[in-house]
Amino acid sequence: EPEVTQTPSHQVTQMGQEVILRCVPISNHLYFYWYRQILGQKVEFLVSFYNNEISEKSEIFDDQFSVERPDGSNFTLKIRSTKLEDSAMYFCASSESVGSGDTQYFGPGTRLTVL
Amino acid sequence: AQSVTQLGSHVSVSEGALVLLRCNYSSSVPPYLFWYVQYPNQGLQLLLKYTSAATLVKGINGFEAEFKKSETSFHLTKPSAHMRDAAEYFCAVSRREYGNKLVFGAGTILRVKS
Repeated sequence: EPEVTQTPSHQVTQMGQEVILRCVPISNHLYFYWYRQILGQKVEFLVSFYNNEISEKSEIFDDQFSVERPDGSNFTLKIRSTKLEDSAMYFCASSESVGSGDTQYFGPGTRLTVL
Repeated sequence: AQSVTQLGSHVSVSEGALVLLRCNYSSSVPPYLFWYVQYPNQGLQLLLKYTSAATLVKGINGFEAEFKKSETSFHLTKPSAHMRDAAEYFCAVSRREYGNKLVFGAGTILRVKS
């Protein structure tokens, strides 16, 4: 069964460093998402992406964040200058379309630890 | 604005007992509703979803949920719990007008006792 994959599974970085989290969505999907879950808190929407541009972003997704689909398979989330509060589990998701509550399929997540 | 409330951050049941995980939503119009499950060290897996068809929705692993508009609820049930059901369960809501982003509840950890 097709699945969303994410690398790395765990990333440790120093405050102020740049990190890139990588995702490979399901191959025929056209809509891509990033969510995050800070330990003990809800899963929160960050950004959605379609047709090589951001469709929607949350208040969390400020200028420190960017997304990119550098090739036909990868979808990346970049944090330019990490802060302690960026420590969280980051989930990538993809869906075939956005009609009628189409299912978003999630990857296993990347645990980001900022020291 | 949409929101989801899951009553009970932890639920404990005996193996073979009924599982009931509660979810209430807040939305001005009927939304799409989802239940996801997260097993340890894994991603979120869709259990079932409501998209305005039948109000009783059957999902994987014997779970089902009933959409009740009058109660703004979408509770998840399973007649007989199994040890493998131990996981964290998330209720989520989306609406096309909001770009189909998922708004999640806080999650409920289900413990199954032998």
